[in-house]
Amino acid sequence: DAGITQSPRHKVTETGTPVTLRCHQTENHRYMYWYRQDPGHGLRLIHYSYGVKDTDKGEVSDGYSVSRSKTEDFLLTLESATSSQTSVYFCATGTSGSSVADTQYFGPGTRLTVL
Amino acid sequence: AQSVTQPDIHITVSEGASLELRCNYSYGATPYLFWYVQSPGQGLQLLLKYFSGDTLVQGIKGFEAEFKRSQSSFNLRKPSVHWSDAAEYFCAGNFGNEKLTFGTGTRLTIIP
Repeated sequence: DAGITQSPRHKVTETGTPVTLRCHQTENHRYMYWYRQDPGHGLRLIHYSYGVKDTDKGEVSDGYSVSRSKTEDFLLTLESATSSQTSVYFCATGTSGSSVADTQYFGPGTRLTVL
Repeated sequence: AQSVTQPDIHITVSEGASLELRCNYSYGATPYLFWYVQSPGQGLQLLLKYFSGDTLVQGIKGFEAEFKRSQSSFNLRKPSVHWSDAAEYFCAGNFGNEKLTFGTGTRLTIIP
Protein backbone atom coordinates (compact mmCIF):
# COMPACT_ATOMS: atom_id res chain seq x y z
CA ASP A 1 0.00 0.00 0.00
CA ALA A 2 1.03 3.59 -0.59
CA GLY A 3 2.61 5.39 2.34
CA ILE A 4 -0.08 7.89 3.25
CA THR A 5 -0.33 9.53 6.63
CA GLN A 6 -2.87 12.00 7.92
CA SER A 7 -2.55 14.39 10.81
CA PRO A 8 -4.10 14.86 13.19
CA ARG A 9 -6.00 11.58 13.47
CA HIS A 10 -8.58 13.05 15.80
CA LYS A 11 -9.56 16.64 16.43
CA VAL A 12 -12.26 18.41 18.39
CA THR A 13 -12.78 22.08 17.68
CA GLU A 14 -15.36 24.80 18.15
CA THR A 15 -17.62 26.43 15.61
CA GLY A 16 -15.97 29.34 13.86
CA THR A 17 -12.38 28.27 14.36
CA PRO A 18 -10.04 27.51 11.45
CA VAL A 19 -8.85 23.93 11.05
CA THR A 20 -6.15 22.46 8.82
CA LEU A 21 -5.78 18.79 8.08
CA ARG A 22 -2.60 17.45 6.56
CA CYS A 23 -2.04 14.57 4.18
CA HIS A 24 1.49 13.35 3.51
CA GLN A 25 2.52 10.73 0.97
CA THR A 26 5.83 9.08 0.26
CA GLU A 27 4.95 7.49 -3.08
CA ASN A 28 5.44 10.48 -5.40
CA HIS A 29 1.88 10.06 -6.69
CA ARG A 30 0.69 12.87 -8.90
CA TYR A 31 -2.94 12.95 -7.82
CA MET A 32 -4.17 13.64 -4.31
CA TYR A 33 -7.75 13.79 -3.04
CA TRP A 34 -9.72 14.83 0.01
CA TYR A 35 -12.99 13.06 0.80
CA ARG A 36 -15.44 13.23 3.61
CA GLN A 37 -17.34 10.20 4.82
CA ASP A 38 -20.76 10.51 6.38
CA PRO A 39 -23.37 7.84 7.18
CA GLY A 40 -25.67 7.25 4.24
CA HIS A 41 -23.49 9.22 1.83
CA GLY A 42 -20.46 7.05 1.29
CA LEU A 43 -17.40 9.06 0.35
CA ARG A 44 -17.81 12.42 -1.28
CA LEU A 45 -15.02 14.31 -2.99
CA ILE A 46 -14.16 17.70 -1.51
CA HIS A 47 -11.15 18.81 -3.56
CA TYR A 48 -8.41 17.16 -5.51
CA SER A 49 -5.00 18.01 -6.91
CA TYR A 50 -3.43 16.93 -10.17
CA GLY A 51 -0.02 18.41 -9.46
CA VAL A 52 1.84 20.96 -7.38
CA LYS A 53 -0.27 24.11 -7.14
CA ASP A 54 -2.92 22.50 -9.39
CA THR A 55 -6.22 21.87 -7.63
CA ASP A 56 -9.88 21.58 -8.49
CA LYS A 57 -13.22 21.33 -6.71
CA GLY A 58 -15.16 18.21 -5.99
CA GLU A 59 -18.87 17.80 -5.31
CA VAL A 60 -18.86 19.19 -1.73
CA SER A 61 -16.23 21.94 -1.81
CA ASP A 62 -18.15 24.78 -0.14
CA GLY A 63 -16.46 25.85 3.10
CA TYR A 64 -13.19 24.11 2.27
CA SER A 65 -9.95 25.17 0.63
CA VAL A 66 -6.83 23.21 -0.25
CA SER A 67 -3.21 23.82 -1.02
CA ARG A 68 -0.43 21.74 -2.48
CA SER A 69 3.00 23.37 -2.41
CA LYS A 70 4.92 20.07 -2.58
CA THR A 71 4.20 16.78 -4.27
CA GLU A 72 4.05 14.96 -0.96
CA ASP A 73 1.74 17.27 0.99
CA PHE A 74 -1.91 18.19 0.48
CA LEU A 75 -3.58 20.43 3.04
CA LEU A 76 -7.30 20.78 3.64
CA THR A 77 -8.46 23.93 5.44
CA LEU A 78 -11.80 24.70 6.99
CA GLU A 79 -11.68 28.48 7.19
CA SER A 80 -14.44 28.70 9.79
CA ALA A 81 -15.59 25.31 10.97
CA THR A 82 -19.30 24.55 11.27
CA SER A 83 -21.09 21.64 12.93
CA SER A 84 -22.06 20.32 9.49
CA GLN A 85 -18.37 19.70 8.84
CA THR A 86 -18.20 17.12 11.61
CA SER A 87 -17.11 14.06 9.66
CA VAL A 88 -14.36 11.61 8.94
CA TYR A 89 -11.94 12.96 6.37
CA PHE A 90 -9.91 10.72 4.12
CA CYS A 91 -6.98 11.58 1.95
CA ALA A 92 -6.19 9.49 -1.09
CA THR A 93 -3.49 9.44 -3.73
CA GLY A 94 -3.59 8.22 -7.29
CA THR A 95 -0.83 7.07 -9.56
CA SER A 96 -0.35 8.81 -12.87
CA GLY A 97 -0.03 6.65 -15.88
CA SER A 98 -1.33 6.51 -19.39
CA SER A 99 -4.86 6.07 -18.15
CA VAL A 100 -6.90 8.29 -15.91
CA ALA A 101 -8.36 5.17 -14.36
CA ASP A 102 -5.52 4.67 -11.92
CA THR A 103 -6.18 3.19 -8.54
CA GLN A 104 -6.62 5.41 -5.51
CA TYR A 105 -4.94 4.58 -2.22
CA PHE A 106 -6.37 5.82 1.04
CA GLY A 107 -4.97 7.18 4.26
CA PRO A 108 -6.22 6.14 7.71
CA GLY A 109 -8.60 9.07 8.10
CA THR A 110 -9.08 12.02 10.45
CA ARG A 111 -12.11 12.20 12.70
CA LEU A 112 -13.14 15.83 13.11
CA THR A 113 -15.76 16.97 15.58
CA VAL A 114 -17.00 20.55 15.48
CA LEU A 115 -18.87 21.58 18.63
CA ALA B 1 -25.57 11.86 -14.59
CA GLN B 2 -23.04 9.22 -13.76
CA SER B 3 -23.69 7.35 -10.55
CA VAL B 4 -22.96 4.22 -8.56
CA THR B 5 -25.70 2.52 -6.56
CA GLN B 6 -25.40 -0.08 -3.83
CA PRO B 7 -28.97 -1.16 -3.15
CA ASP B 8 -28.26 -3.01 0.09
CA ILE B 9 -27.41 -0.88 3.12
CA HIS B 10 -26.84 -3.84 5.42
CA ILE B 11 -26.41 -7.57 4.80
CA THR B 12 -26.10 -10.34 7.38
CA VAL B 13 -24.72 -13.76 6.49
CA SER B 14 -23.61 -16.79 8.45
CA GLU B 15 -19.96 -17.68 8.61
CA GLY B 16 -19.16 -20.14 5.85
CA ALA B 17 -22.06 -19.03 3.68
CA SER B 18 -21.66 -17.47 0.27
CA LEU B 19 -21.87 -13.73 -0.26
CA GLU B 20 -22.94 -11.44 -3.05
CA LEU B 21 -22.91 -7.65 -2.74
CA ARG B 22 -24.65 -5.70 -5.45
CA CYS B 23 -23.39 -2.68 -7.35
CA ASN B 24 -25.01 -0.92 -10.28
CA TYR B 25 -23.79 2.03 -12.28
CA SER B 26 -25.29 4.60 -14.60
CA TYR B 27 -23.08 5.69 -17.48
CA GLY B 28 -23.28 5.83 -21.26
CA ALA B 29 -20.13 3.80 -21.73
CA THR B 30 -18.20 1.22 -19.74
CA PRO B 31 -16.68 2.74 -16.64
CA TYR B 32 -13.69 1.56 -14.71
CA LEU B 33 -14.98 -0.13 -11.58
CA PHE B 34 -13.56 -0.80 -8.15
CA TRP B 35 -14.48 -2.51 -4.91
CA TYR B 36 -13.00 -1.25 -1.64
CA VAL B 37 -13.34 -2.62 1.89
CA GLN B 38 -13.26 -0.58 5.08
CA SER B 39 -12.76 -2.27 8.42
CA PRO B 40 -13.98 -0.38 11.51
CA GLY B 41 -11.83 2.67 12.21
CA GLN B 42 -9.67 2.06 9.17
CA GLY B 43 -9.13 3.55 5.75
CA LEU B 44 -10.27 1.95 2.52
CA GLN B 45 -8.41 -0.97 1.01
CA LEU B 46 -8.72 -1.95 -2.64
CA LEU B 47 -10.17 -5.42 -3.14
CA LEU B 48 -10.23 -5.53 -6.93
CA LYS B 49 -10.74 -3.47 -10.05
CA TYR B 50 -12.08 -3.85 -13.57
CA PHE B 51 -10.67 -1.85 -16.46
CA SER B 52 -11.31 -4.06 -19.50
CA GLY B 53 -10.96 -7.61 -20.76
CA ASP B 54 -12.08 -10.61 -18.76
CA THR B 55 -15.35 -9.70 -17.05
CA LEU B 56 -14.63 -11.91 -14.05
CA VAL B 57 -11.91 -10.34 -11.92
CA GLN B 58 -10.16 -11.85 -8.97
CA GLY B 59 -9.14 -9.82 -5.96
CA ILE B 60 -7.53 -10.17 -2.60
CA LYS B 61 -8.94 -12.11 0.36
CA GLY B 62 -10.74 -14.58 -1.91
CA PHE B 63 -13.13 -12.04 -3.42
CA GLU B 64 -14.16 -11.87 -7.05
CA ALA B 65 -16.47 -9.62 -9.04
CA GLU B 66 -18.23 -9.98 -12.35
CA PHE B 67 -18.87 -7.12 -14.74
CA LYS B 68 -22.15 -7.45 -16.65
CA ARG B 69 -22.64 -4.77 -19.25
CA SER B 70 -26.23 -5.80 -20.00
CA GLN B 71 -27.19 -5.27 -16.37
CA SER B 72 -24.87 -2.32 -15.66
CA SER B 73 -23.64 -4.28 -12.68
CA PHE B 74 -20.41 -5.19 -10.95
CA ASN B 75 -21.36 -7.51 -8.11
CA LEU B 76 -18.86 -8.70 -5.54
CA ARG B 77 -18.84 -12.37 -4.49
CA LYS B 78 -17.14 -14.69 -2.09
CA PRO B 79 -17.92 -18.41 -1.88
CA SER B 80 -17.43 -18.74 1.88
CA VAL B 81 -17.22 -15.80 4.26
CA HIS B 82 -15.08 -15.63 7.37
CA TRP B 83 -15.78 -13.62 10.52
CA SER B 84 -12.92 -11.30 9.52
CA ASP B 85 -14.87 -10.25 6.41
CA ALA B 86 -17.22 -8.18 8.55
CA ALA B 87 -16.70 -4.63 7.29
CA GLU B 88 -18.20 -2.00 5.04
CA TYR B 89 -17.83 -2.46 1.31
CA PHE B 90 -17.81 0.31 -1.24
CA CYS B 91 -18.23 0.09 -4.97
CA ALA B 92 -16.75 2.95 -6.99
CA GLY B 93 -16.62 3.97 -10.62
CA ASN B 94 -14.39 6.14 -12.77
CA PHE B 95 -16.34 7.75 -15.57
CA GLY B 96 -13.54 8.98 -17.76
CA ASN B 97 -11.77 11.52 -15.57
CA GLU B 98 -9.47 11.71 -12.55
CA LYS B 99 -12.25 11.18 -10.01
CA LEU B 100 -14.00 8.26 -8.39
CA THR B 101 -17.71 8.19 -7.66
CA PHE B 102 -18.57 6.01 -4.68
CA GLY B 103 -21.70 4.14 -3.77
CA THR B 104 -23.12 4.62 -0.30
CA GLY B 105 -21.68 1.36 0.96
CA THR B 106 -22.96 -1.98 2.23
CA ARG B 107 -22.30 -3.01 5.81
CA LEU B 108 -21.63 -6.74 6.16
CA THR B 109 -22.34 -8.53 9.42
CA ILE B 110 -21.20 -12.13 9.93
CA ILE B 111 -23.15 -14.44 12.26
CA PRO B 112 -21.08 -17.18 13.92
